[in-house]
Amino acid sequence: QQPVQSPQAVILREGEDAVINCSSSKALYSVHWYRQKHGEAPVFLMILLKGGEQKGHEKISASFNEKKQQSSLYLTASQLSYSGTYFCGTEHQAGTALIFGKGTTLSVSS
Amino acid sequence: EPEVTQTPSHQVTQMGQEVILRCVPISNHLYFYWYRQILGQKVEFLVSFYNNEISEKSEIFDDQFSVERPDGSNFTLKIRSTKLEDSAMYFCASIPNGGTVTGYTFGSGTRLTVV
Repeated sequence: QQPVQSPQAVILREGEDAVINCSSSKALYSVHWYRQKHGEAPVFLMILLKGGEQKGHEKISASFNEKKQQSSLYLTASQLSYSGTYFCGTEHQAGTALIFGKGTTLSVSS
Repeated sequence: EPEVTQTPSHQVTQMGQEVILRCVPISNHLYFYWYRQILGQKVEFLVSFYNNEISEKSEIFDDQFSVERPDGSNFTLKIRSTKLEDSAMYFCASIPNGGTVTGYTFGSGTRLTVV
């Protein structure tokens, strides 16, 4: 039931792009994306509901393929502030608690 | 911006002792959650709470754990007899309603160390 994230880690230079994937073996109602900085709480980035919509948040956007039960997070022109661990959280039915993947650690250097 | 507040920020306890972790969710939020994160690992769901009762719980949330909302603002997680493996960061989270069209707001966490 836990979603699978890939890759486990990404190392980037400022300005480079990255894609983080999240997949589930069960049908999804929604996918959430969060970013966690070291020693801090996860911070909500965006939510995607089933229907295949794509959302954007500054230079960070995400897509949700309901048929494949997959979501991807796109980080373009990365900045130092993007460094952290990115978690996807999946909701299989409306109102059920989020189950998080193991996270993808993103390191951006200058 | 409204915050979820957790106290204490760090607690050290001896194995076998009881601990109570406290959370003050955002005032107009109705659904509350406890998650834990063992150092550097995934964020694990423990329990969700709505309308003064547990709405969902994970396998981790066994008889050693309990939650309650003793008054209109606090939301507590009690561990009756702590074990070494309970050492983790415990996060409280809340959302306005059950539709989760909005994301979870997490508190800053309580780091529990069991010695």
